[in-house]
Amino acid sequence: DAMVIQNPRYQVTQFGKPVTLSCSQTLNHNVMYWYQQKSSQAPKLLFHYYDKDFNNEADTPDNFQSRRPNTSFCFLDIRSPGLGDAAMYLCATSRVKQGGQPQHFGDGTRLSIL
Amino acid sequence: QKEVEQNSGPLSVPEGAIASLNCTYSDRGSQSFFWYRQYSGKSPELIMSIYSNGDKEDGRFTAQLNKASQYVSLLIRDSQPSDSATYLCAVWYIKAAGNKLTFGGGTRVLVKP
Repeated sequence: DAMVIQNPRYQVTQFGKPVTLSCSQTLNHNVMYWYQQKSSQAPKLLFHYYDKDFNNEADTPDNFQSRRPNTSFCFLDIRSPGLGDAAMYLCATSRVKQGGQPQHFGDGTRLSIL
Repeated sequence: QKEVEQNSGPLSVPEGAIASLNCTYSDRGSQSFFWYRQYSGKSPELIMSIYSNGDKEDGRFTAQLNKASQYVSLLIRDSQPSDSATYLCAVWYIKAAGNKLTFGGGTRVLVKP
């Protein structure tokens, strides 16, 4: 089945220690998104790629970076995680950027900071 | 005013009853609307998309859209305990800074046997 796969499902890191979360997709979608979701809150868009075109949300901290080496893979790098970065990180894809296309989510990575 | 507003709940419904969830949005230009279901600790799962005024039915789910009132709703018929989850309303916003899917805070639904 075509799908969006996130690894790992659970990630524990130390305060200030860089961490990378990964996302892959077999849907061959052009757009890949990264969201942060904290408990009982709505998903918050961090950034997205339309093909290789990177789009950062204005309020995304500089601590968060992303890479998309090819159509199938996208990475979220957190350079110096703080306690406030503990959250569920969601990767989503859509076929194109236009609003009519729904986004399909992976299972998420739950990040804990020690 | 929040861009997408939902009652946080919990909305408690007996098994077999109809659950009615509401969502309002602030951008009159929005054209695409989605309902996602999210179980505790899991990721959002798309259950309905709606683009035109009126009703759209899919199994036990019916989405209703009224663009003039800037209102979208979700009905769950014959509610089952497995429907207990948080339901997120999402609206595609057209913005000068870039278009994006904007989520409401979600309505938590509890279906009691």
